[in-house]
Amino acid sequence: GAVVSQHPSWVICKSGTSVKIECRSLDFQATTMFWYRQFPKQSLMLMATSNEGSKATYEQGVEKDKFLINHASLTLSTLTVTSAHPEDSSFYICSAPPSSYNEQFFGPGTRLTVL
Amino acid sequence: AQTVTQSQPEMSVQEAETVTLSCTYDTSESDYYLFWYKQPPSRQMILVIRQEAYKQQNATENRFSVNFQKAAKSFSLKISDSQLGDAAMYFCASNTGTASKLTFGTGTRLQVTL
Repeated sequence: GAVVSQHPSWVICKSGTSVKIECRSLDFQATTMFWYRQFPKQSLMLMATSNEGSKATYEQGVEKDKFLINHASLTLSTLTVTSAHPEDSSFYICSAPPSSYNEQFFGPGTRLTVL
Repeated sequence: AQTVTQSQPEMSVQEAETVTLSCTYDTSESDYYLFWYKQPPSRQMILVIRQEAYKQQNATENRFSVNFQKAAKSFSLKISDSQLGDAAMYFCASNTGTASKLTFGTGTRLQVTL
């Protein structure tokens, strides 16, 4: 199957700083990528849809200015958590569907801890 | 809008036995796709099986098969000859086509005992 990578796999930062998470499709191009947030023992919650060359589409209740998404190329999307606070601590997962595929392939996730 | 419901928070199965995980969904779309994803302790989401709604034949992938009941909007996963490595969270999900967002159920935690 297709491979999606995420970097970093885990990050610890101080409150008030910004953190950037990268999502890459390694062996296919993706005009669309998705960003999810997952709390312990819960399901995945879609945060936003990342669109190459255009603005991301955010789900209701997700702060656009706090979670900045950039889809600069057909293989890279980034999620920047700005002015991070302890409540932003979570597991962030990205996914991407290869063209003509209906299923999505997921990155390994990034564990963010904000102190 | 699509909704996906998994009513079994936890299930347990003995090694080598068979277990069925339940999933129901609701959608107003005529064309949609259904999936089962596995999330082991590593938290890497792994596609287990997929089903196109327009196909009547139930999908199978080795020990994994689905019972797709379109009229009842039911999409259960059967795991045969369960193995210790099958222990994980299982999420049922649906979408409406290529590059469309997935809607997930709340998940079922499967334990496999000796």
